Amino acid sequence: DAGVIQSPRHEVTEMGQEVTLRCKPISGHNSLFWYRQTMMRGLELLIYFNNNVPIDDSGMPEDRFSAKMPNASFSTLKIQPSEPRDSAVYFCASSLTGYGNYGYTFGSGTRLTVV
Amino acid sequence: DAKTTQPTSMDCAEGRAANLPCNHSTISGNEYVYWYRQIHSQGPQYIIHGLKNNETNEMASLIITEDRKSSTLILPHATLRDTAVYYCINNPGDKLIFGTGTRLQVFP
Repeated sequence: DAGVIQSPRHEVTEMGQEVTLRCKPISGHNSLFWYRQTMMRGLELLIYFNNNVPIDDSGMPEDRFSAKMPNASFSTLKIQPSEPRDSAVYFCASSLTGYGNYGYTFGSGTRLTVV
Repeated sequence: DAKTTQPTSMDCAEGRAANLPCNHSTISGNEYVYWYRQIHSQGPQYIIHGLKNNETNEMASLIITEDRKSSTLILPHATLRDTAVYYCINNPGDKLIFGTGTRLQVFP
């Protein structure tokens, strides 16, 4: 298994531009999570999906952030418009829940820099 | 918010056992304890989890006290590659909320 695949690995964009981060979860996993990591705030859960349905988006910082999961094999996190304070590493993770307790598998992350 | 308490940092000599403590005094009866680690610039990596019995896998051992209010992750023979931030987590439901973790430095 290739694991959780995130793209791009690095993104540099100008303030005000739209940014889209992509995630392909592990095949067969039914839950997907988006996290953001900064030095100041550590790892923050932004949103998570179960069976492609958003369950909890209370961690999404503001309306500029949106996430979708159109099918079981793909999810996006979009920031529009982007701001310098959005600079962070964004991680996607997937897991198989509801069938016992399994660990999350994280992707390698997308390092976003907004200038 | 994270419901666990861990020391900020620890050191361990290479080849020795690393014992990382965690307090989770508010844990409820059906909540598991999870341990993850994050090596610099990588995504967090699952290590082990347990409910009330001690657990062991190829990476580590997890010792949970009888009252379940604390646990210890044991890396039996630490290597330089075990240098990382270690997170102890207990949360109800399906979402993991990370705290600040313990930064373990393994030295030669």
